[in-house]
Amino acid sequence: DAGVIQSPRHEVTEMGQEVTLRCKPISGHNSLFWYRQTMMRGLELLIYFNNNVPIDDSGMPEDRFSAKMPNASFSTLKIQPSEPRDSAVYFCASSQGTSGYNEQFFGPGTRLTVL
Amino acid sequence: SQQGEEDPQALSIQEGENATMNCSYKTSINNLQWYRQNSGRGLVHLILIRSNEREKHSGRLRVTLDTSKKSSSLLITASRAADTASYFCAMGGEGNTPLVFGKGTRLSVIA
Repeated sequence: DAGVIQSPRHEVTEMGQEVTLRCKPISGHNSLFWYRQTMMRGLELLIYFNNNVPIDDSGMPEDRFSAKMPNASFSTLKIQPSEPRDSAVYFCASSQGTSGYNEQFFGPGTRLTVL
Repeated sequence: SQQGEEDPQALSIQEGENATMNCSYKTSINNLQWYRQNSGRGLVHLILIRSNEREKHSGRLRVTLDTSKKSSSLLITASRAADTASYFCAMGGEGNTPLVFGKGTRLSVIA
């Protein structure tokens, strides 16, 4: 199994541009999580899906952030327009359920730099 | 907030020594998990301890859980340079609520 796949691995963009981050979860996992990691705030849960349905998006910082999961094997996190304070590492993780008993498998992350 | 607090924030030890990291949390849990993150990588699951367990071992890892004190510790014995990483505790609550991660402890093992 290839694990959770994220693309791109690195993204450098200018303020105001649209950014789209992509994630392919592990096959058979029905839950998907998007996190943001910074030195100041640590690891923040932005949104999570169960069976492709968004369950809780209360962690999404602003309306500029949106996430979709059109099918079981693909999810996107979009920032439009991007701002310098969005610079962070964004992780996608998947698991076999949303319960806290389920181990989460993390992708390698996308390092986003907004200039 | 259920977010855990790891202690210390950073730890530097010599190879061969034991490393102990602590995690405290605020509300009730049904399990607690520890994850490791190597620089530039995603988090990797290490071990899970259920709320009715007090101690668990996996290789050089030993985890304890004290639900009365709402705290857990991760002990890495005979540390190696390859153990250099950040270590996170994650609390599993009731029902279908997802894990909540702490801010992590940065461990440096010097060869």
